[in-house]
Amino acid sequence: QQQVKQSPQSLIVQKGGISIINCAYENTAFDYFPWYQQFPGKGPALLIAIRPDVSEKKEGRFTISFNKSAKQFSLHIMDSQPGDSATYFCAAVYAGGTSYGKLTFGQGTILTVHP
Amino acid sequence: KAGVTQTPRYLIKTRGQQVTLSCSPISGHRSVSWYQQTPGQGLQFLFEYFSETQRNKGNFPGRFSGRQFSNSRSEMNVSTLELGDSALYLCASSPSGGQQAFFGQGTRLTVV
Repeated sequence: QQQVKQSPQSLIVQKGGISIINCAYENTAFDYFPWYQQFPGKGPALLIAIRPDVSEKKEGRFTISFNKSAKQFSLHIMDSQPGDSATYFCAAVYAGGTSYGKLTFGQGTILTVHP
Repeated sequence: KAGVTQTPRYLIKTRGQQVTLSCSPISGHRSVSWYQQTPGQGLQFLFEYFSETQRNKGNFPGRFSGRQFSNSRSEMNVSTLELGDSALYLCASSPSGGQQAFFGQGTRLTVV
């Protein structure tokens, strides 16, 4: 199964709060899990990524938590800012076999951060 | 380092016509992937090219095709356009495919 399920569909957070977006996958062959941020009229921008041998990765205010046994991973945005308001996509990649170059995306989460 | 460049940014075509979209990847990246983004279906994989060879293809009809040139630049072509082909078409480049993929700004195609 190639699906990646993302929740919630939309999220409203106050400035300074923590935004949490969750994803679940089924295919245990996935070996790379990136998160993308997309503003209206722009292409997705790579935010942060993790491999399944690591349980957590932090870059600035963005943290990925990864639970291999549960086949789940999440994005935490600390001290959320109005400028973080965008659509966030999780994705999964299997680099082997015939899956070259294919990112399987979640459905996206529209994040709104109120000032 | 220049990013991924897609041209044109916007296109309006009539049903039945064909269209060609272009993508110039990041210098040194040999893999180029194409995605279709729509509000209803989200981001869907079209195909991936590496060193002028198509290595992977998504579940799209044969009207969707692509190619890659020796300088890694890629084009995708959609023939016999349908209203449902209206979408944002995104190109992503990466060093070897999938991982560390960077997207262009996309081409907004409207079919009328």
